[in-house]
Amino acid sequence: AQSVTQLDSHVSVSEGTPVLLRCNYSSSYSPSLFWYVQHPNKGLQLLLKYTSAATLVKGINGFEAEFKKSETSFHLTKPSAHMSDAAEYFCVVSEQNSGYSTLTFGKGTMLLVSP
Amino acid sequence: DTEVTQTPKHLVMGMTNKKSLKCEQHMGHRAMYWYKQKAKKPPELMFVYSYEKLSINESVPSRFSPECPNSSLLNLHLHALQPEDSALYLCASSQDRDRYYEQYFGPGTRLTVT
Repeated sequence: AQSVTQLDSHVSVSEGTPVLLRCNYSSSYSPSLFWYVQHPNKGLQLLLKYTSAATLVKGINGFEAEFKKSETSFHLTKPSAHMSDAAEYFCVVSEQNSGYSTLTFGKGTMLLVSP
Repeated sequence: DTEVTQTPKHLVMGMTNKKSLKCEQHMGHRAMYWYKQKAKKPPELMFVYSYEKLSINESVPSRFSPECPNSSLLNLHLHALQPEDSALYLCASSQDRDRYYEQYFGPGTRLTVT
């Protein structure tokens, strides 16, 4: 069985400072890992994905994540936070089936950005 | 076009009403999903359709009835709902990308049951 642990339920940063959202996963085989962002009362938007091609993955809006197999981690980072980054972030592990996927979500991390 | 659309955006219904949620995508995706999301929680999978056939039903009560009329359209029919069914209902779709099925989500329908 696969599982995801997001280590912080809330992270607070000041605008212009770095962002670190932590995620650990458990998977019995090489995982497909994603980060999604959800702004208030909106759907989920795919930020980036890891699918074994490269361990450092770049996503949209300046976010990136590094896959570390030895640490079973997939932490999300951004060098400089913007007010518009305030949202809920979900780390997700995906299991591929025949014709579809099933997602296991972390509990989410709320990113708060202050001026 | 990487858009999944959902209608309506908001829905208020009584416990005796019958209503439907609609989801549409024109990306040629052959898998479509319904999720339920309560406040401050991650989405929970309800149903998966793959090639217009129901592949997963996560023990969802029969007052929720999914339908996939064609590869672009997914409906969720609602009948005799309970107040605890109030939530954000999200639709998603996916297609094989080098063996990985990225899911694209719609904006959701905010459902309130009174």
